[in-house]
Amino acid sequence: EAGVTQSPTHLIKTRGQQATLRCSPISGHTSVYWYQQALGLGLQFLLWYDEGEERNRGNFPPRFSGRQFPNYSSELNVNALELEDSALYLCASSLGGVGANVLTFGAGSRLTVL
Amino acid sequence: GNSVTQMEGPVTLSEEAFLTINCTYTATGYPSLFWYVQYPGEGLQLLLKATKADDKGSNKGFEATYRKETTSFHLEKGSVQVSDSAVYFCALRKGGGSNYKLTFGKGTLLTVNP
Repeated sequence: EAGVTQSPTHLIKTRGQQATLRCSPISGHTSVYWYQQALGLGLQFLLWYDEGEERNRGNFPPRFSGRQFPNYSSELNVNALELEDSALYLCASSLGGVGANVLTFGAGSRLTVL
Repeated sequence: GNSVTQMEGPVTLSEEAFLTINCTYTATGYPSLFWYVQYPGEGLQLLLKATKADDKGSNKGFEATYRKETTSFHLEKGSVQVSDSAVYFCALRKGGGSNYKLTFGKGTLLTVNP
């Protein structure tokens, strides 16, 4: 069974540009979560999608946005990139709805903003 | 709100030493508790979990017991190996509806020397 896959593995952008990161969940999982892992800050929750709808959002500015497609894959967009957006972005998936306890994570996409 | 506090790292041990990584949490009610591990260059993997008070999660020689009275979920291993070198994250999952997400501690880097 394929795990959670993320692309690209690495991405280098300059300030002010836009970045798009992609995530494919485990087959059968309908929930997708995005986390930011910045150096020294641990994992910060970004977004949660379930059945195509945004269910919850972390404390991030609106230039962080995303969506979930009908096949449950997801995209994270970061507009007007700033230097402090440099981080590892982790996607996770789970069975849908409340009650699903286990998240399975992908290997992450490392975004570097110069 | 919900929060997780885990011991500051880094932790450096010799092979076969005993490991404890402390984790305490703040949450109302009865959250589910988790330990995730992140090996170098990889995403997070679920190590073990406990969903109710006094439950003991265990995997690969690691153990953690859900202590409601002390709001703790300390990770222990009797004899660590070099291959256990990784970052360990304590996490809780609490809430219903749109509040249902994982909250992580900042992570503890463990280095095991031969």
